[in-house]
Amino acid sequence: QVQLVESGGGLVKPGGSLRLSCAASGFTFSDYYMSWIRQAPGKGLEWVSYISSSANTIYYADSVKGRFTISRDNAKNSLYLQMSSLRAEDTAVYYCARVIVATRHFDYWGQGTLVTVSS
Amino acid sequence: EIVLTQSPGTLSLSPGERATLSCRASQSISSSFLAWYQQKPDQAPRLLIYGASSRATGIPDRFSGSGSGTDFTLTISRLEPEDFAVYYCQQYGSSPRYTFGQGTILEIK
Repeated sequence: QVQLVESGGGLVKPGGSLRLSCAASGFTFSDYYMSWIRQAPGKGLEWVSYISSSANTIYYADSVKGRFTISRDNAKNSLYLQMSSLRAEDTAVYYCARVIVATRHFDYWGQGTLVTVSS
Repeated sequence: EIVLTQSPGTLSLSPGERATLSCRASQSISSSFLAWYQQKPDQAPRLLIYGASSRATGIPDRFSGSGSGTDFTLTISRLEPEDFAVYYCQQYGSSPRYTFGQGTILEIK
């Protein structure tokens, strides 16, 4: 069965960096686009970034552009999000999700990893 | 930027009743790129509907989606206790690539 397991969250100071990982299993990872979506405490969902199956197409939300970098390692069935210059407003649960290209929806989500940016 | 506005913000109903949730886009969007998700406390969102009206795998047929252009609807024909949750609509388009509605809380009356 499809599984997405995020890791790497934690407490970081403003201006700091963190790298999130998402380990995928149960499907052919290299065939799928992937995405990161976040949810601030008590708030709604916010799309963060998206990467194509071969990593040749990447998009970011304006709120993270220039600070976050999405990447993937198809040999390791893993998705990453390198976050730098972190701000308090980046505090959220970060989910990785699989993208269905034809209709651009997210059909499977991980359980999420909490990132807290605070001094 | 396309903004999705969901209404009502909170819907209070009883099990067995019919729920109608609305998602309105600030400009016309492709039905192919409209999805609905359900989220329960401390859980990840779960896909319900994609392409505006196609049910995801394993989703009961009491859930249905409809709409086109700027107005989309998620209907739950007869509410079960496990249906009380937060519901989000989502669209894909031009920058930003994805937007979500602010959510509708479906609570037990």
